Amino acid sequence: QSALTQPRSVSGSPGQSVTIPCTGSSSDIGSYDYVSWYQQHPREAPKLIIIEVTKRPSGVPDRFSGSKSGDTASLTISGLQPEDEADYYCCSYVGSYFTDVVFGGGTTLTVL
Amino acid sequence: QMQLQESGPGLVKPSETLSLTCTVSGGSITSGYYYWAWIRQAPGKGLEFIGSVSQNGVTSYIASRKNRVTLSVDRSKNQFSLSLSSVTAADTAVYYCARQGGVAAIYYYYYYMDVWGKGTTVTVS
Repeated sequence: QSALTQPRSVSGSPGQSVTIPCTGSSSDIGSYDYVSWYQQHPREAPKLIIIEVTKRPSGVPDRFSGSKSGDTASLTISGLQPEDEADYYCCSYVGSYFTDVVFGGGTTLTVL
Repeated sequence: QMQLQESGPGLVKPSETLSLTCTVSGGSITSGYYYWAWIRQAPGKGLEFIGSVSQNGVTSYIASRKNRVTLSVDRSKNQFSLSLSSVTAADTAVYYCARQGGVAAIYYYYYYMDVWGKGTTVTVS
């Protein structure tokens, strides 16, 4: 399976909003709502922040939101804070076996 | 609170087999509807899903690596393991173990990783 496509980097100022797109295909994002997002700070393990396209696990601030249109899922971070500076990865079920997933290439968010 | 911890050699020679174990604490590997996954991250690169195993030993691997990967589970020790044979420098990475959860629909789709280990660095050299 090919990796999902994300921009290598995005940036924003504190208090602003940024959106990170994640483009897949009709075989993954386009066919299923089984999209998750992860935040990874340097030298740390990834942290789950969005499941099922739009849902936030317990403890994740509501500044993080997800959406989907066609083959593209998006993560929006509102009210940017310095601690949001991290790498973000999307991940989608790929429809071959019921546990197979593929990650996006990752996007580095810089808070200016 | 469930915790996962990877363990294994940090250095493996080319052509040999990389073997890692993930120990689950704070919960049972047999509880709930979960698979137990391995993900890796090469230096400076993104995350790559390797495969996952159920509490009953049912396995799923990424097709491109299927012939080199073996996943197993030891319920008595609350552990699951990864073996990757014939390693090369391209297998140098941080290896993470994780709990793979999902949602019941027509089938049960396991598609997100909600609990992660801290990762262990494996160098092939």
